[in-house]
Amino acid sequence: EAGVAQSPRYKIIEKRQSVAFWCNPISGHATLYWYQQILGQGPKLLIQFQNNGVVDDSQLPKDRFSAERLKGVDSTLKIQPAKLEDSAVYLCASSSGQGGETQYFGPGTRLLVL
Amino acid sequence: QKEVEQNSGPLSVPEGAIASLNCTYSDRGSQSFFWYRQYSGKSPELIMFIYSNGDKEDGRFTAQLNKASQYVSLLIRDSQPSDSATYLCAVKGRGGADGLTFGKGTHLIIQP
Repeated sequence: EAGVAQSPRYKIIEKRQSVAFWCNPISGHATLYWYQQILGQGPKLLIQFQNNGVVDDSQLPKDRFSAERLKGVDSTLKIQPAKLEDSAVYLCASSSGQGGETQYFGPGTRLLVL
Repeated sequence: QKEVEQNSGPLSVPEGAIASLNCTYSDRGSQSFFWYRQYSGKSPELIMFIYSNGDKEDGRFTAQLNKASQYVSLLIRDSQPSDSATYLCAVKGRGGADGLTFGKGTHLIIQP
């Protein structure tokens, strides 16, 4: 079974530029999560999708971050404009969403904002 | 605001000994508790989850939960150098939104 796929793996941009990350969850997984992990911290949930609907985006900085999950499969997370403090690893995770508790994480996208 | 607290370490344990990792959480309504292992530069991988008070064993790993004290722990028996990593405690609340709240992680070093 293929795992969670993410791209790109690394991205370097300058502040005020925009950037987008892509995630493809495990096949059949209804629930998709985006987490932000700053160096030395645990992952912080940004947004949770159930199929193509948003379940929780309470910690998403909506003035600059946006996310979508069209057709309930792939998802894109965008930052516009980026700030220095957005430098982090952006992790995508998925779970079956049918009482399945385990969240499986992708390899992450490491973002550096200069 | 849900909080999960862990000692950041590093925690240094000799090879073959028992490593004990601890975690406390603030939300009494929390339902499920998870331990993830994260190697440097890698993504978190699930080691164990526990829902009920008491102990849960899986191979060399034992998770312990005490909801009254809002305390979760992970014991690693017969520690190996390959167990050296950061261990993240994560908590899931009740309700439909089941994103995890993570602690900062404990950096564990197993000394050969």
